[in-house]
Amino acid sequence: DGGITQSPKYLFRKEGQNVTLSCEQNLNHDAMYWYRQDPGQGLRLIYYSQIVNDFQKGDIAEGYSVSREKKESFPLTVTSAQKNPTAFYLCASRGGYTDTQYFGPGTRLTVL
Amino acid sequence: QQQVKQSPQSLIVQKGGIPIINCAYENTAFDYFPWYQQFPGKGPALLIAIRPDVSEKKEGRFTISFNKSAKQFSLHIMDSQPGDSATYFCAASAASNTGKLIFGQGTTLQVKP
Repeated sequence: DGGITQSPKYLFRKEGQNVTLSCEQNLNHDAMYWYRQDPGQGLRLIYYSQIVNDFQKGDIAEGYSVSREKKESFPLTVTSAQKNPTAFYLCASRGGYTDTQYFGPGTRLTVL
Repeated sequence: QQQVKQSPQSLIVQKGGIPIINCAYENTAFDYFPWYQQFPGKGPALLIAIRPDVSEKKEGRFTISFNKSAKQFSLHIMDSQPGDSATYFCAASAASNTGKLIFGQGTTLQVKP
């Protein structure tokens, strides 16, 4: 069963804690992306990676970090420096010869 | 330059109606324009996409109209059904920009039975 998986589906964080969101894909896609979605707003790009061991900042990278050690995996860490982390986080991937991005089911992060 | 402006923010139609959602862009380097459908609590799913070399594309009940000179594109949903009630996002990307998608703000559609 091919696709993109994100875990956990719901995540609760206390202020001052770092948390890591998982994103895994078995589509053999080179490029992977992390977006943040807030109510009533479009998706905003946090980080993206076009190849293993390389990644670039998106429009709202402050307070976030990523790694890309394996082609299949692109975890996102929400650090304590992110002042307003409560949001719906979406991971996407794209194959090398297409423009289409495919999205995972999302992780809803809530700061308590 | 990098923005994609989407309207309306919300839309209510009766079953069988034809909702129309509009998007406008400024960056002439954009060369790929997808529409995504998102249900509450789910990830967006690609609905239909178009490139600037065509003015219209149909897939089932969904049609994209593209006006390159006006830098506008729109989504039409023919014979809309209550199951089409969702949030719709337009987006744009440029091949020269590593495929990053710039999203519109979204339109919440409600189709009444």
